[in-house]
Amino acid sequence: QKEVEQNSGPLSVPEGAIASLNCTYSDRVSQSFFWYRQYSGKSPELIMSIYSNGDKEDGRFTAQLNKASQYVSLLIRDSQPSDSATYLCAVNMGRGYSTLTFGKGTMLLVSP
Amino acid sequence: DAGVTQSPTHLIKTRGQQVTLRCSPKSGHDTVSWYQQALGQGPQFIFQYYEEEERQRGNFPDRFSGHQFPNYSSELNVNALLLGDSALYLCASSLAGTGEETQYFGPGTRLLVL
Repeated sequence: QKEVEQNSGPLSVPEGAIASLNCTYSDRVSQSFFWYRQYSGKSPELIMSIYSNGDKEDGRFTAQLNKASQYVSLLIRDSQPSDSATYLCAVNMGRGYSTLTFGKGTMLLVSP
Repeated sequence: DAGVTQSPTHLIKTRGQQVTLRCSPKSGHDTVSWYQQALGQGPQFIFQYYEEEERQRGNFPDRFSGHQFPNYSSELNVNALLLGDSALYLCASSLAGTGEETQYFGPGTRLLVL
């Protein structure tokens, strides 16, 4: 069974701190990886995509991918209360097609 | 730029009934995927439509069926509803053949089965 694992949290950080969210996946040949943010009662919103080993930065967000360890992470710098949400890790395990397998999500709480 | 739209936003049905959910993809996209998200869980892949055909399917029973129209919009049909079908149903659109196929989600349809 192809799986994506995330700590359910909640992960609590103070405002201004760095939040670190982690994800592991089981399918070694997976090629593309995504982080989505989901506010309570809303649909997932794309934050970052990453395809190659290493870091990818976009504003306050940095995604890190290590295919050898089958590990992907998301760092949020200068965390704000508005970042409080559930963060979903998604992995494209399709063979030629984009079909996403999601983790259960990590709830992030940023306190003022 | 029109994003992904879904209708209706909320729906209440009783066990055994049938339901149809609708999705219009983001402008320029040609592929539609459907996901089911139960409370406290991540979305689970139901199936994907491209060129009016189902090209990939997740681990869902045949009670779940779909359709894609020539304008790329899509429907999800669920027959013989069960209490366990209560969930947020998400439609995501993407553009095939780009190698990345990033999926963008609509607002979802929240289905409650009584």
